[in-house]
Amino acid sequence: DAGITQSPRYKITETGRQVTLMCHQTWSHSYMFWYRQDLGHGLRLIYYSAAADITDKGEVPDGYVVSRSKTENFPLTLESATRSQTSVYFCASRVAGSETQYFGPGTRLLVL
Amino acid sequence: LAKTTQPVSMDSYEGQEVNITCSHNNIATNDYITWYQQFPSQGPRFIIQGYKTKVTNEVASLFIPADRKSSTLSLPRVSLSDTAVYYCLVGALSGSARQLTFGSGTQLTVLP
Repeated sequence: DAGITQSPRYKITETGRQVTLMCHQTWSHSYMFWYRQDLGHGLRLIYYSAAADITDKGEVPDGYVVSRSKTENFPLTLESATRSQTSVYFCASRVAGSETQYFGPGTRLLVL
Repeated sequence: LAKTTQPVSMDSYEGQEVNITCSHNNIATNDYITWYQQFPSQGPRFIIQGYKTKVTNEVASLFIPADRKSSTLSLPRVSLSDTAVYYCLVGALSGSARQLTFGSGTQLTVLP
């Protein structure tokens, strides 16, 4: 199926563990984004990427690492998970020159 | 950053027109206004986007006054399936993604 996918859809981990959330898009969009969504905060940008090997911080980057070796993939890593990182994580993409973002289905992460 | 303010919630009845207003007093010259819809357990979905005056598509209209300090999303003749959270996004997506700002969202509940 074409589009943007995220894996896993649900994840339970423990404090201090490393966790990687995957995002894959089949459109070859230049831009990709990671957001977290918490009650009362709406969506907050964590990191974004304008192209392969180009990434930049968003509003709430602390505790997260990203990479983008291929255009279609944009993994998000929590190097040492904390309870405050319990959230729903959304990946999004858009083509350069367009203002429309396309969101994935989200990953629900619970850090115990 | 252009901060946005939306009502937390709104109720409506089927068949009515619903108007949701977003305030963005600090909007910049290059900023576009974009509205997204989000259903539970799904990623946000693009509804409509505009820069000034009025924009209309098959699902909604967007009204932007001359000073661009606010915008109003208009949903004609809502149905139960329009119950969702609606987000106002202000930012120059063609530039730095760090300029993106999501509002806190408006929970629209359509009643029978």
